[in-house]
Amino acid sequence: GAGVSQTPSNKVTEKGKYVELRCDPISGHTALYWYRQSLGQGPEFLIYFQGTGAADDSGLPNDRFFAVRPEGSVSTLKIQRTERGDSAVYLCASSLTMRTEAFFGQGTRLTVV
Amino acid sequence: DAKTTQPNSMESNEEEPVHLPCNHSTISGTDYIHWYRQLPSQGPEYVIHGLTSNVNNRMASLAIAEDRKSSTLILHRATLRDAAVYYCILRVNSGYSTLTFGKGTMLLVSP
Repeated sequence: GAGVSQTPSNKVTEKGKYVELRCDPISGHTALYWYRQSLGQGPEFLIYFQGTGAADDSGLPNDRFFAVRPEGSVSTLKIQRTERGDSAVYLCASSLTMRTEAFFGQGTRLTVV
Repeated sequence: DAKTTQPNSMESNEEEPVHLPCNHSTISGTDYIHWYRQLPSQGPEYVIHGLTSNVNNRMASLAIAEDRKSSTLILHRATLRDAAVYYCILRVNSGYSTLTFGKGTMLLVSP
């Protein structure tokens, strides 16, 4: 019954590789968000799911980024052909509805070398 | 989303009250004022939110100006655990609206 869980907590990958980041939201939460945070900056919105569908993907920086939530619970953020500029902490959040408070995970620190 | 302005950093001593200001002069009538904070190496956590009236909860109080163009988050007795980045965010409470974070205010608490 814990909070939002993100795995792995740290990921180091080589430039050009493919990575998947996983988010387990709080059970019963229909809304799920992905954010990206660079050092010294606030979190930057990437994508929002309501149930299984991506209701707003306007924050995805380019077509190398993709996210899914096939059963309306666990979500995976996928990054193809990683670049050094993709290095950041990727945060996932969930909320009961799209208007209630969001609960964040501790993030996955992605380092592309 | 309407923009908010916060000081980059503030300092406080432990056990003293802290007033964290936020300016939002372009706020619209349907915008709620939300505060989140982010402790070191953690994801953000919800603190409080309000529309027009002042709000209190176990973590903090939110004082909202009568014209709603500014607000203040009040921590009544700062502890070392309150050292964090505090984000003031405007969020429409109808339809869909995500949380748009700025740089926030880094609060430093000294023993």
